[in-house]
Amino acid sequence: DVKVTQSSRYLVKRTGEKVFLECVQDMDHENMFWYRQDPGLGLRLIYFSYDVKMKEKGDIPEGYSVSREKKERFSLILESASTNQTSMYLCASSLGLSLTTGELFFGEGSRLTVL
Amino acid sequence: SQKIEQNSEALNIQEGKTATLTCNYTNYSPAYLQWYRQDPGRGPVFLLLIRENEKEKRKERLKVTFDTTLKQSLFHITASQPADSATYLCALLLYSSASKIIFGSGTRLSIRP
Repeated sequence: DVKVTQSSRYLVKRTGEKVFLECVQDMDHENMFWYRQDPGLGLRLIYFSYDVKMKEKGDIPEGYSVSREKKERFSLILESASTNQTSMYLCASSLGLSLTTGELFFGEGSRLTVL
Repeated sequence: SQKIEQNSEALNIQEGKTATLTCNYTNYSPAYLQWYRQDPGRGPVFLLLIRENEKEKRKERLKVTFDTTLKQSLFHITASQPADSATYLCALLLYSSASKIIFGSGTRLSIRP
């Protein structure tokens, strides 16, 4: 059974703190993604990665960075958390497009509150 | 500007009726259009995919249509049940970027008994 695991379901951080959100997939997928989800705005793509050490900016990369040192792990980093980064963060993975049709497998989400 | 719009934030349907959800997009050239289901507090789950050269796709009680001229997809749930209550998201997989998938904001569907 396919599985995408996000390290924390709920986090509370203070403004200015550095925040790490970890995501691990056990499906040997090439692609991994970080989205944030806010009411009325849907899922917005922050960053994605199509290979180890490769990354591309999504639609809202400002204030975030990512790291993919191993194929199964994709980390989202908030260098200095701000209140407007309070959100639900969703990690997803998919096979390379040459092999499939881009179906995303999502984790359960990490709800981050920045005070 | 590029947009994906789902027709309404919320839709209430009587059990047994057909629920129809709409997804419209502008200024994109999608390779595929996908539909996902999301339950409260959970990540989205993939339901169906339709390619740009396909008009219709079915899976059990689900049917998806894709009109690239109108830039619209319709998602139908026939014989709806209370267990179908969830938020449904449409998503576009774009030609312009090999792995980029863009989501609409979703429609919250409620099926009343």
